[in-house]
Amino acid sequence: TQLLEQSPQFLSIQEGENLTVYCNSSSVFSSLQWYRQEPGEGPVLLVTVVTGGEVKKLKRLTFQFGDARKDSSLHITAAQPGDTGLYLCAHVYNFNKFYFGSGTKLNVKP
Amino acid sequence: DTGVSQDPRHKITKRGQNVTFRCDPISEHNRLYWYRQTLGQGPEFLTYFQNEAQLEKSRLLSDRFSAERPKGSFSTLEIQRTEQGDSAMYLCASSFGGAANEQFFGPGTRLTVL
Repeated sequence: TQLLEQSPQFLSIQEGENLTVYCNSSSVFSSLQWYRQEPGEGPVLLVTVVTGGEVKKLKRLTFQFGDARKDSSLHITAAQPGDTGLYLCAHVYNFNKFYFGSGTKLNVKP
Repeated sequence: DTGVSQDPRHKITKRGQNVTFRCDPISEHNRLYWYRQTLGQGPEFLTYFQNEAQLEKSRLLSDRFSAERPKGSFSTLEIQRTEQGDSAMYLCASSFGGAANEQFFGPGTRLTVL
């Protein structure tokens, strides 16, 4: 497996602030996925990035895949309490298995 | 509701007991995955099925763990002689087609071994 390191581990911010979380590795990936997991629920896929340098936007969320396809970032603009959750990045390996990072736990205070 | 469902949602058991969890995937999905997630960690892959065939098993899946998907629809995960270290959230996910396709996760079964 190829390790995915996510940072920061925890982030607590006020509503309206901007934030960026990171997913890094020393390995090159064909694609990376980002998920959000709310307490007591399973993860929900937010986006898949496949091309080096790719930027994808999902409302206030902006995802970027590094040029070398070794890292990715998620930027949230004007965070809202509904953005609270565990943000996970993941990659597919050996064609069939998904490896997840340990996640960034985000708390957005009203 | 046509999402992935898991039963039970919570299970408390004593060490040494056997437990069985059930996962009902989205009906047309041919792939089914089991993961384990402990507090503060991301999900860890345990095993996956394509239709009724179990194609991959993680080294995390000791001899005490067994999974089945007898008719290529629902799946069960059994843990025999549970240990306190088995306490975790057990997640099931399903997808259609290739590995890069979106996985849909169930809400998980929270296991507590006393």
